[in-house]
Amino acid sequence: QKEVEQNSGPLSVPEGAIASLNCTYSDRGSQSFFWYRQYSGKSPELIMSIYSNGDKEDGRFTAQLNKASQYVSLLIRDSQPSDSATYLCAVFIGNQFYFGTGTSLTVIP
Amino acid sequence: EAQVTQNPRYLITVTGKKLTVTCSQNMNHEYMSWYRQDPGLGLRQIYYSMNVEVTDKGDVPEGYKVSRKEKRNFPLILESPSPNQTSLYFCASSFSVAGGELFFGEGSRLTVL
Repeated sequence: QKEVEQNSGPLSVPEGAIASLNCTYSDRGSQSFFWYRQYSGKSPELIMSIYSNGDKEDGRFTAQLNKASQYVSLLIRDSQPSDSATYLCAVFIGNQFYFGTGTSLTVIP
Repeated sequence: EAQVTQNPRYLITVTGKKLTVTCSQNMNHEYMSWYRQDPGLGLRQIYYSMNVEVTDKGDVPEGYKVSRKEKRNFPLILESPSPNQTSLYFCASSFSVAGGELFFGEGSRLTVL
């Protein structure tokens, strides 16, 4: 069974702080890893994709992948109120995408 | 503008009345897929397609059908809807069949009475 697990939260951080979101997956055959952001009532939009072990940085966002430990994380630096949303971890395995249930993040001004 | 378009956005129907949710993308993407999103269960893949005339079941295909007669279109068909199919549905497409970024439509909220 292929599972993607996330803490549902809610996670609250003050404005300007670092938000840390974590995700674990069960299938070692996982090929691609993604973080999507979903505002309430809206469709998911891609924040980061990562395909190999290590860190990948894009602006205030850093994705970290550790295939040996089967986890992928997302760090949001200098968190802004506009970052308040649900963050979905997704894994691509064998032609299919599997999503976690999402972590709700609130950035407090 | 590059986009994935779903219709209808909102629909209330009754048990057993066949319905189709259309999905169209203008990005020449190979991969298209359908998901349902339910509270506490996250996004679950219903069906996906890697090319014209090639479709495969996802994790929750029961009660749904799809077709891919043209590259740009991937309709979701509910032959005999039931109340447990009340959900928020998303269509998504990707340029890659090997796990590239998914572009999502705006979603279709379906209520089956």
